Amino acid sequence: GAGVSQSPRYKVAKRGQDVALRCDPISGHVSLFWYQQALGQGPEFLTYFQNEAQLDKSGLPSDRFFAERPEGSVSTLKIQRTQQEDSAVYLCASSLKQGLAKNIQYFGAGTRLSVL
Amino acid sequence: KNEVEQSPQNLTAQEGEFITINCSYSVGISALHWLQQHPGGGIVSLFMLSSGKKKHGRLIATINIQEKHSSLHITASHPRDSAVYICAASTAGGGGSQGNLIFGKGTKLSVKP
Repeated sequence: GAGVSQSPRYKVAKRGQDVALRCDPISGHVSLFWYQQALGQGPEFLTYFQNEAQLDKSGLPSDRFFAERPEGSVSTLKIQRTQQEDSAVYLCASSLKQGLAKNIQYFGAGTRLSVL
Repeated sequence: KNEVEQSPQNLTAQEGEFITINCSYSVGISALHWLQQHPGGGIVSLFMLSSGKKKHGRLIATINIQEKHSSLHITASHPRDSAVYICAASTAGGGGSQGNLIFGKGTKLSVKP
């Protein structure tokens, strides 16, 4: 596809349910980032992949959050036993080169997660 | 104190006005990004700059490295410019880290016809 694609666009989960959010980056992009954006706030970094390697997961808020990119393209962010504070928009971004230095990131439209 | 601060938080302008959004940062950066976020969540990268000034159409971004300050200007504003504008700093990284992208909270711009 032409851009970064995320699915689903909206997800409503009951507290305690597990959810999986998908990101299809731009083909050939080496770097993939996940961000969490709470209502009225700027996005906050969750984790970073360079190809299939998860090089930085320092932003994951708890061990209920898990991300993978097994073949270096599509990535999945999984949240186990969802809590109300997990409600946010989850943004995925990809960039052509590795790392952040002077690389433009291309963002998906996000998945809005609401935990009831 | 946030590492990336934007002002104002909210801005209402009349069509045609010249608009300035400010961003100050306290971290070492490799680049400074300006992003546009429309309702519904989609984020578009407007500028990435590490020095000087860049211009694209009616948008101008400037950065002063010594003062750790950047501005986004919109000339001849139009209602379609209404969006949230976000400043984000690419940190310099080091020690094996690839760095990080630290976002401001955004400036919500509404341009009235």
